[in-house]
Amino acid sequence: DAGVIQSPRHEVTEMGQEVTLRCKPISGHDYLFWYRQTMMRGLELLIYFNNNVPIDDSGMPEDRFSAKMPNASFSTLKIQPSEPRDSAVYFCASSYNGVDGYTFGSGTRLTVV
Amino acid sequence: AQSVTQPDIHITVSEGASLELRCNYSYGATPYLFWYVQSPGQGLQLLLKYFSGDTLVQGIKGFDAEFNRSQSSFNLRKPSVHWSDAAEYFCAVRNTGTASKLTFGTGTRLQVML
Repeated sequence: DAGVIQSPRHEVTEMGQEVTLRCKPISGHDYLFWYRQTMMRGLELLIYFNNNVPIDDSGMPEDRFSAKMPNASFSTLKIQPSEPRDSAVYFCASSYNGVDGYTFGSGTRLTVV
Repeated sequence: AQSVTQPDIHITVSEGASLELRCNYSYGATPYLFWYVQSPGQGLQLLLKYFSGDTLVQGIKGFDAEFNRSQSSFNLRKPSVHWSDAAEYFCAVRNTGTASKLTFGTGTRLQVML
């Protein structure tokens, strides 16, 4: 199994640009999670999906952030427009049943200048 | 809401020494608890988990953890640390109810002296 695959690994963009982060979960995993990691705030859950349906998006910081899961094998996290304070490492994780723990991807390091 | 506290931000141990990383949880019933490790530039990897039953849980990479209800703790241990164990370690608790989300502690950075 290739694990959870995220792309790109690194993204540098200018303030105001649209950024799209991508995630492919492990096949057969019904849960998908997006986390953001910063030095100041640690790991924050942004949103999670169950069977492609968003269940809890209370962690999405503001309307500039949106996430979709059009099918069981793909999810995107979009920031439009991006701001320097969005600079962070964004992790995608998936889980078979939401109970036994997650498998994390390697993350996307986003830098907004 | 459930939460975990990792009181140590940074710990340094010598290679071959024993290790204990502290985690305290806040939850009324029996929590679902996890330990993850994050190497530099990598995602988080699950070391072990506790749901119920035996309070001593064995994990990967030679780690174990003991659930202590009276102290509300779930400390991670290793009898002999290797230089490759240098990483950041996160304790996490699973929220109950309809939510399947994990809440993570702030992490403990482990440095290993050769």
